[in-house]
Amino acid sequence: GENVEQHPSTLSVQEGDSAVIKCTYSDSASNYFPWYKQELGKRPQLIIDIRSNVGEKKDQRIAVTLNKTAKHFSLHITETQPEDSAVYFCAAGNTGNQFYFGTGTSLTVIP
Amino acid sequence: NAGVTQTPKFQVLKTGQSMTLQCAQDMNHEYMSWYRQDPGMGLRLIHYSVGAGITDQGEVPNGYNVSRSTTEDFPLRLLSAAPSQTSVYFCASRPGTLPETQYFGPGTRLLVL
Repeated sequence: GENVEQHPSTLSVQEGDSAVIKCTYSDSASNYFPWYKQELGKRPQLIIDIRSNVGEKKDQRIAVTLNKTAKHFSLHITETQPEDSAVYFCAAGNTGNQFYFGTGTSLTVIP
Repeated sequence: NAGVTQTPKFQVLKTGQSMTLQCAQDMNHEYMSWYRQDPGMGLRLIHYSVGAGITDQGEVPNGYNVSRSTTEDFPLRLLSAAPSQTSVYFCASRPGTLPETQYFGPGTRLLVL
């Protein structure tokens, strides 16, 4: 099956700085890569996703890049704000029926 | 639309007891799934269903049963609860089997003593 690795497990940044979270996957059949934000005690919420026919996608301060050859994808958050503090999960899925999640990154934005 | 709903929000069980976690969605989604979330391990797929009457196992199915008699409901049954099943359980749904956005329920926090 698919194996998704996520790094770092914890990340602290100063408010206004950028944050980058990286994931790698093992199954070349994976073609959909969502990122979820989970606040304490809440459900995961999709913040951005990318499909394998696209190399980069941006939504305001959030961007995701995908390198299919190297089998890795990254989440970039610019101009971080305290409300960005949360746990972020990457995932990989394909036309089959399973999503595989990374182990999460706890992001703390220091005011 | 209520989206994906789960009941109960919190449950305490004794080892060996059985219970059913309820999940329902009102978006007419074909695909539904159950995940468990443990500290430091992300979300792991327990069981999933691609439509009424069709279910299959995920990564960690042992100790759990599911059924899908209607499009809307996808209950998860713990047959004989064990402390290792202490976790937060999330139900999710999406429109079809093609890779696309999943919508998560609010979660059920389960403690097995």
